[in-house]
Amino acid sequence: QVQLVQSGAEVKKPGASVKVSCKASGYTFTSYGISWVRQAPGQGLEWMGWISAYNGNTNYAQKLQGRVTMTTDTSTSTAYMELRSLRSDDTAVYYCARENSGSYHLEIDYWGQGTLVTVSS
Amino acid sequence: SSELTQDPAVSVALGQTVRITCQGDSLRSYYASWYQQKPGQAPVLVIYGKNNRPSGIPDRFSGSSSGNTASLTITGAQAEDEADYYCNSRDSSGNHLRVFGGGTKLTVL
Repeated sequence: QVQLVQSGAEVKKPGASVKVSCKASGYTFTSYGISWVRQAPGQGLEWMGWISAYNGNTNYAQKLQGRVTMTTDTSTSTAYMELRSLRSDDTAVYYCARENSGSYHLEIDYWGQGTLVTVSS
Repeated sequence: SSELTQDPAVSVALGQTVRITCQGDSLRSYYASWYQQKPGQAPVLVIYGKNNRPSGIPDRFSGSSSGNTASLTITGAQAEDEADYYCNSRDSSGNHLRVFGGGTKLTVL
């Protein structure tokens, strides 16, 4: 069965960086993209970006451009999301998710369990 | 601000039908997908494409689209359907970005 298992919770100070991992199993990793989505406490879902596990192409949300980097390691079927220059409003649960997309549709059909990142001095 | 607009809250009587809508320019060109999220849990895909349900999603969930509006309909709402619902699609910039709606809190009375 498809599984996405994320790394554990992190506590960071403002200005620091965090790198969250997402290990995929149960499917051919390079056949799908990985989206990263975050959710601040009590807030809605926010799309952060997408990476093709096939060729490493990325698309990032404009508000995070310059602070976020998404990568994959196809040898271990693992995706990574690094966020730099952390601020208090980056405190959120971060999800990796498998995305299936075509010309007129996209859907996130499997989600990781979420990683809580807390930014606090 | 979100490029996909949803009503913040909707309520429905047990067993009745409810429609949750999502508006945005990109929906004229792309289908929306819909997600259900219960407190403390990861979202779950409930509708994608023209009107497709993943395995395990009850057939009381259906989707439709017209112009710039996508809709998620629950026919015969159950207590367990009380949750937050989010739509998702590409944004309207043509830059292969994605966007979520702000979410709709569904209360089953």
